[in-house]
Amino acid sequence: AQTVTQSQPEMSVQEAETVTLSCTYDTSENNYYLFWYKQPPSRQMILVIRQEAYKQQNATENRFSVNFQKAAKSFSLKISDSQLGDTAMYFCAFNQETSGSRLTFGEGTQLTVNP
Amino acid sequence: NAGVTQTPKFQVLKTGQSMTLQCAQDMNHEYMSWYRQDPGMGLRLIHYSVGAGITDQGEVPNGYNVSRSTTEDFPLRLLSAAPSQTSVYFCASSYRQGWGRGFFGQGTRLTVV
Repeated sequence: AQTVTQSQPEMSVQEAETVTLSCTYDTSENNYYLFWYKQPPSRQMILVIRQEAYKQQNATENRFSVNFQKAAKSFSLKISDSQLGDTAMYFCAFNQETSGSRLTFGEGTQLTVNP
Repeated sequence: NAGVTQTPKFQVLKTGQSMTLQCAQDMNHEYMSWYRQDPGMGLRLIHYSVGAGITDQGEVPNGYNVSRSTTEDFPLRLLSAAPSQTSVYFCASSYRQGWGRGFFGQGTRLTVV
């Protein structure tokens, strides 16, 4: 079974600074997808960034980028120029291609951006 | 507006009561699923469906029933609510061939007293 681990329950960062959230996963499969979701206090699940395992290039979306290390099974999220609106719970998630659309989530990291 | 619609947003139940959480999507997605979110545990899959008439169990199915009579709707039933089912519930949908462009509903906060 696949597992996803986020070892940082809470993190904080000063506004305008950079923060990195960690995620590791375990799988024996070769074709899969990794995601970072943001959950603000509204509870809405917002897709931040998506990475296909077959792509060597790290995904980027504006201030958000990932460091995908396939051999190490590591998938960290870097947030640059942190903004107050980035304060939220962040979940790392895994989707194995052969499992259809099933997602496995990590425990989450609560990020607080301080003014 | 296209998307996944969950109702209700909040619900309080007494132990032993039954209720149905509703979920509807208008994107013609084949795959629909229910997750529960508990503190410190992320989201865990309860049940899922890969099309009308087809359902299967996820990681934590006990105490919940589902059915999929149409492509659009995927209700989650609690037959006899227990305090352990106090949680936030999310419905989600995507195309069958992978999660890549999936969508979540707004969530239902359920409290069982």
